[in-house]
Parts: sequence; structure tokens; C-alpha cells
Amino acid sequence: EAGVAQSPRYKIIEKRQSVAFWCNPISGHATLYWYQQILGQGPKLLIQFQNNGVVDDSQLPKDRFSAERLKGVDSTLKIQPAKLEDSAVYLCASRTSGSLAGELFFGEGSRLTVL
Amino acid sequence: GENVEQHPSTLSVQEGDSAVIKCTYSDSASNYFPWYKQELGKRPQLIIDIRSNVGEKKDQRIAVTLNKTAKHFSLHITETQPEDSAVYFCAASMGGQNFVFGPGTRLSVLP
Repeated sequence: EAGVAQSPRYKIIEKRQSVAFWCNPISGHATLYWYQQILGQGPKLLIQFQNNGVVDDSQLPKDRFSAERLKGVDSTLKIQPAKLEDSAVYLCASRTSGSLAGELFFGEGSRLTVL
Repeated sequence: GENVEQHPSTLSVQEGDSAVIKCTYSDSASNYFPWYKQELGKRPQLIIDIRSNVGEKKDQRIAVTLNKTAKHFSLHITETQPEDSAVYFCAASMGGQNFVFGPGTRLSVLP
């Protein structure tokens, strides 16, 4: 079974520039998450999708971050304009739907450095 | 919303000893509690999980206990080995929604 795919793995940009990250979840997984993991901290939820609908984006800084999952499969997370404090690893995760569904499957992450 | 605390932030044990990591959660509606292991530069991977209808679960050298009344759960690793060295994250979820992670525990197993 193929895992969660993310790209790019690494990105270095200057502040005020824009960046986009892409995620392809495990086939058949209806629920997709984007997490921000700052060095030394636990993953923090940015946005959760169920198919192509947003379930929770309460912690997404909407003035600069946006995300979409137009066809209910792959997803894109965009940051524009980037700030120094956006330097982090952006983790995409997916899982099957349903209240008894368990494990989150994570991608390798996209490491962003903002200079 | 849910808040998850985790202690200790760092833990060093001698190889062969046991390690215990504790987490507390705030939302009594949370009913699913997974533990993830993250090696340096790698993705978090599930090592064990427990649902609120169970008090304890064991898988070889790893066990998790849950006290719903006190709203805390713990990870127990016995007979630790160098390959257990990693960062461990606990998480809490309600109905599989909005997984909230703790800040992590860096475990070092000393030879």
C-alpha cells in the first residue's frame, strides 16, 4: 500500500515570498489533515478535510494560509506571504472516515525555512 | 477546545530499564488516545492506541493505560533498547476528529 506522498521535501524562501505544498493521501482515505510542526513541538492542526469539504480550519491563519482539496483526493497548502515564524515542517496525514477509524498515517513532511 | 499536556519533556534511561511517559487531557468527550513515535527527520508513526472503553492495552514491550476519571493516560516501555530512542507524542481525539497532540517526550536509551 502506497503511503501519504508530500512534495517538496524541502523549501527555502525569503520572508514575504509565497510557497505551496502538495499532498496525496492514501487511496480511499476520505479524511485529510495538514499539521504544522515547529522544531521541538508537537504537531498542530491547521486544517482538516472530509472529502472535499472543510471540517475544521479554526487554527489556520487565514490571512496568509490557504488550503484546498478540490476533488476530494490530493490537497494543496499555500502560504502567502511567508513570515519567519512559518519555518516548520508541514505534515500531511490521512485516515479512513468513521468514528471508529483510528490511525493517522503521516507523510514525510515538507520542511520550510523562511529567511 | 482540547488541551493535551505531556511529561516529562526529556527522559533518559539505561538500556533494559523501563520508561513511562504521562499525558493528561482536558476534554472528557475525547475517546481515542494514540501514541506516536517520531525518529529524527522521519514521519510520526503509530505505536499503540487505546479507546475509552478499555483501561489497558499491551503490545509486546509497550503498554498504554487510561484513567478516564482523572483524564490521564500513560505509555509504558519495558526492557528498553537503543532503537527505542526517539520523540514520543501522545494525542487525544473525539470520534476521530481533531487529533490534538502533546508537546512530545524525547527518550534517550543509554547503552
